[in-house]
Amino acid sequence: DARVTQTPRHKVTEMGQEVTMRCQPILGHNTVFWYRQTMMQGLELLAYFRNRAPLDDSGMPKDRFSAEMPDATLATLKIQPSEPRDSAVYFCASGLPLTGRSSSSYNEQFFGPGTRLTVL
Amino acid sequence: GENVEQHPSTLSVQEGDSAVIKCTYSDSASNYFPWYKQELGKGPQLIIDIRSNVGEKKDQRIAVTLNKTAKHFSLHITETQPEDSAVYFCAASIGGGAAGNKLTFGGGTRVLVKP
Repeated sequence: DARVTQTPRHKVTEMGQEVTMRCQPILGHNTVFWYRQTMMQGLELLAYFRNRAPLDDSGMPKDRFSAEMPDATLATLKIQPSEPRDSAVYFCASGLPLTGRSSSSYNEQFFGPGTRLTVL
Repeated sequence: GENVEQHPSTLSVQEGDSAVIKCTYSDSASNYFPWYKQELGKGPQLIIDIRSNVGEKKDQRIAVTLNKTAKHFSLHITETQPEDSAVYFCAASIGGGAAGNKLTFGGGTRVLVKP
């Protein structure tokens, strides 16, 4: 069945190293979200894309984080340089806007299994 | 921006009893309210959602109610089973437009169903 895939599932790295996380959205979905989950902050939206264009990355520390969609089947989240406070589970989600009776649209999001990042 | 508060943070119930989780939101323009269930080691999964033109929705043992005037919505799980043990998240979203479709999540409720 269709699902969002994320790689790697686990990553342990040392402070200062570059980390790249990858996401393959569900085929046909045109919206991709990156979230970070920690015990203290819960689920935080970092960035999201529609039709590969970034719509909002206000939740992302711009100095070290970057998110891209090189093509419709791949989204990447990069941290350079990584810091211990970046340790968290990073989730990718994809969705397809649903149109209701009005012109408003709603987005159901399907989450991947996450990448657990530990920065030592 | 939108702020979503969720209560309680933990909930322990006996198998067969009901569980209720409540959320409040701040932005009256929000019109889509999904609930997600997260099992250990997995990503959140949508279990039910409700849109602002509906006051209540039911799917087997789960139901969601929405009070737009009071800006709160609730998840009800009846006849709880051990497999209902998980963390549940509520969320709110404003549909449509460039700023739309962004979900703001509540802090989560850890539900434990005791056999």
